[in-house]
Amino acid sequence: KAGVTQTPRYLIKTRGQQVTLSCSPISGHRSVSWYQQTPGQGLQFLFEYFSETQRNKGNFPGRFSGRQFSNSRSEMNVSTLELGDSALYLCASSMGQGEREQYFGPGTRLTVT
Amino acid sequence: GQQLNQSPQSMFIQEGEDVSMNCTSSSIFNTWLWYKQEPGEGPVLLIALYKAGELTSNGRLTAQFGITRKDSFLNISASIPSDVGIYFCAGQFNTGKLIFGQGTTLQVKP
Repeated sequence: KAGVTQTPRYLIKTRGQQVTLSCSPISGHRSVSWYQQTPGQGLQFLFEYFSETQRNKGNFPGRFSGRQFSNSRSEMNVSTLELGDSALYLCASSMGQGEREQYFGPGTRLTVT
Repeated sequence: GQQLNQSPQSMFIQEGEDVSMNCTSSSIFNTWLWYKQEPGEGPVLLIALYKAGELTSNGRLTAQFGITRKDSFLNISASIPSDVGIYFCAGQFNTGKLIFGQGTTLQVKP
C-alpha cells in the first residue's frame, strides 16, 4: 500500500505571496491532518479534515486554511506569507473512525524569503 | 496551549545500551503514540497505546500507557546505530487531535 504523499517537497516563496500544498492520504483513509514543524515550536496541529469537513482546528491565524476533496486528497493554503511561516508542513492520514493512528507523509519544506 | 513534557531532550549513548524516555501532561489522553523522525523525513509511527496501563512491544521497543492516562514511556533495548533520530510522543484526545512532545534526540556511538 502506498504511503502518504505530499507535493511539492520543497518550496521557496517571497513574503506576501500565497502557497498551496497538497497531500494524498493512504488509500482508504478518510481523515487528513496538517501540522507545522519548526525548531522553536516543534510539531503544531493546524487542522483535520474528515469526509470533506473540517473536524478539528488548531490555534493558527486565518491565513492558514485547508480543504479536502471527495477522494480524500487535501490541500492547505497559506496566504500573505510571513518569514515565520518557514517550516516543514506535514500531512498525516488515518482511517478517521475507530482506528485513530496517524501516518505521516515526508512533508513539504517551505522557505519564505 | 496544551503541551507535553518530554524528557530527556537529548541522549548520547553507547551502542548496546538501553534507552528510556518519557512524556507527561496535565491532560488526559485516549491514546498515546510514539514516533521516530529522521532528517528530511516525516515521523514514522512506532507504537500505539490505547488503554491505561497497556504495555506494548515492537521488536526492541517497549512503551507503556500510564495508569493516570497523563503519561507514557518508551524504552529501547540494546541500541544500535540505526536507532539514531528524534523520538516524539503524542497524546491523542477522543476528538482525534494530537499533541506532540518536543522530542528526544538520540545519538548512538558505535
